[in-house]
Amino acid sequence: DGGITQSPKYLFRKEGQNVTLSCEQNLNHDAMYWYRQDPGQGLRLIYYSQIVNDFQKGDIAEGYSVSREKKESFPLTVTSAQKNPTAFYLCASSIVAGAATEAFFGQGTRLTVV
Amino acid sequence: GQNIDQPTEMTATEGAIVQINCTYQTSGFNGLFWYQQHAGEAPTFLSYNVLDGLEEKGRFSSFLSRSKGYSYLLLKELQMKDSASYLCAVTNSNYQLIWGAGTKLIIKP
Repeated sequence: DGGITQSPKYLFRKEGQNVTLSCEQNLNHDAMYWYRQDPGQGLRLIYYSQIVNDFQKGDIAEGYSVSREKKESFPLTVTSAQKNPTAFYLCASSIVAGAATEAFFGQGTRLTVV
Repeated sequence: GQNIDQPTEMTATEGAIVQINCTYQTSGFNGLFWYQQHAGEAPTFLSYNVLDGLEEKGRFSSFLSRSKGYSYLLLKELQMKDSASYLCAVTNSNYQLIWGAGTKLIIKP
């Protein structure tokens, strides 16, 4: 079955540590996205990638980093520079960027800083 | 700025009809999406409107008026499983998706 997979579903991190969230898709989509979701707020875009080896900052990129070395994979690293990292993180993909196309989401990773 | 407004929470009765409104102000418009999101899960696609009018899909319908910057999602014959958040999102002229905060729908027996 085609889809988009995030792991892990729950993640705990100590303050000061970096952590990497995995996102893999087998839909052959060019575009991939990382969103952060906090209670009472809309999805906020962290980073997006339109093609392999290219990515752009979204609205709240500070304290985060990404890579896109393969079409299928778009991992997100939450660094110690992110001041308030506890949130629900969603990865998504769409056929192409630059078009009004449906986004497919992974199941999400809930990150808690302890 | 760009913003999308939806009611924070709505309550309805099983078997009834509910309308969830969405108003938007964005830099250009290239389509409006509705997604359903159950608590702790991923959003799933419900509908897409790019032209004015009503799109019907089973128990769910979505309406768009571009001149008014307004859309609604209509849910008929409500079931308990429809308890979820409903997210409105607009694609602007740069094909960026702008998301509303979502409407939490509570269904009571």
